[in-house]
Amino acid sequence: EVQLVQSGGGLVQPGGSLGLSCAVSGFSFDGYGMAWVRQAPGKGLEWVANIKQDENDKFYVDSVRGRFSISRDNAKNSLYLHMSSLRVEDTAVYYCARVAIRGYDFWGQGTLVTVSS
Amino acid sequence: IQLTQSPSSLSASVGGRVTITCRASQGISTLLAWYQKNPGKAPKLLISDASTLQSGVPSRFSGSGSGTHFTLTITSLQPEDSAAYYCQQLYDYPITFGQGTRLEIE
Repeated sequence: EVQLVQSGGGLVQPGGSLGLSCAVSGFSFDGYGMAWVRQAPGKGLEWVANIKQDENDKFYVDSVRGRFSISRDNAKNSLYLHMSSLRVEDTAVYYCARVAIRGYDFWGQGTLVTVSS
Repeated sequence: IQLTQSPSSLSASVGGRVTITCRASQGISTLLAWYQKNPGKAPKLLISDASTLQSGVPSRFSGSGSGTHFTLTITSLQPEDSAAYYCQQLYDYPITFGQGTRLEIE
């Protein structure tokens, strides 16, 4: 059974840092790209970042580039998102997702990140 | 690449049929996916590659289109279809989603 289990998140002050983790099981992690997607309260889905299988190629939405860093540890079957210089507008539920051919087919349960003073 | 969904919300009756449209600001071939999103739950991939139904998704969901114009059609509506629906383009970075369509089943 494919599982993506997220951890991390919580409340952080503006300008602070926070890390998210996504532990996967049930498939060959190093055979898939992975992604982070977020949903701000009352808003739609927003793609945040992608990382290819070999970790060499990373892509970010403009609003987080230079502040967020996506990474993976294929030996630990884990995906990470390190977020720094957080802003109020980064408040959202963050999801990790497996990048399949032509779609994101498995998702984590989501974790809330709240940026507030 | 901007994706524009219409309508932004709609209501329909059990047993009915709805069509949601997604228009891309430039051609994206068939690199479009559709998701169902319920409050408090992770998105669920319904259709990939514009028209490929995912395993386990009821056949009353269907997708079509290519280039810049895509549709998601749901027939024989059920109460559990009440949700938000999003299109997503995977043609180029940044990956983008449509703004969403909220479907209410009466």
